[in-house]
Amino acid sequence: QVQLQESGPGLVKPSETLALICAVSGGSIRNTDWWSWVRQPPGKGLEWIGEISHSGRTNYNPSLRSRVTISVDKSKNQVSLKLTSVTAADTAVYYCARNPLSSGWYFDYWGQGTLVTVSS
Amino acid sequence: EIVLTQSPGTLSLSPGERVTLSCRASQSVSGSYIAWYQHKPGQAPRVLIYDASRRATGIPDRFSGSGSGTDFTLTISRLEPEDFAVYYCQLYGNSPPLFTFGPGTRVDIK
Repeated sequence: QVQLQESGPGLVKPSETLALICAVSGGSIRNTDWWSWVRQPPGKGLEWIGEISHSGRTNYNPSLRSRVTISVDKSKNQVSLKLTSVTAADTAVYYCARNPLSSGWYFDYWGQGTLVTVSS
Repeated sequence: EIVLTQSPGTLSLSPGERVTLSCRASQSVSGSYIAWYQHKPGQAPRVLIYDASRRATGIPDRFSGSGSGTDFTLTISRLEPEDFAVYYCQLYGNSPPLFTFGPGTRVDIK
């Protein structure tokens, strides 16, 4: 059973960089999977941030592309997210999720999410 | 960019009722790219349906998905107490690669 666990600072100051890690357990990062970050601002819906493949190929939401970097460390079974120049609008629960590309374009495993608040 | 709309925004229903949730895309899409999720407060979203009509592993058969083109539907044949949640449809677009979620439908207990 694949498990995902997000971790990182719960409070980030405006204009600084948000950095989160998603630890993957119960299986290795396979070359058939892509790994995404999805966020949910308080009281709002889900927003896809971007994704990365086993080999490091990335795709980003155009609305966030200029500020986002997603990376993968296969040796540690981790996926990372960095979001620069944050504002209060970036306050959200951040989830990592797996897209099992071999069977479709959806997310079958999700982390529990981590709340990041942007405030001085 | 393709936009997803979901209707209604909120439903108030009783256990045992049948519910049909709608997801409409702003242009025709392949059903292969449509999924549905259930999301409860404090929990991770859970995939119910992918490829518009395939039930995900472990999902009860009271959940079903259908549709094509611009109109997709999630049906819960008989609401159980644990089904009260927010439901999102999701689309994958490949030009550029982009996942999009609908705004969600909240199913509340009446």
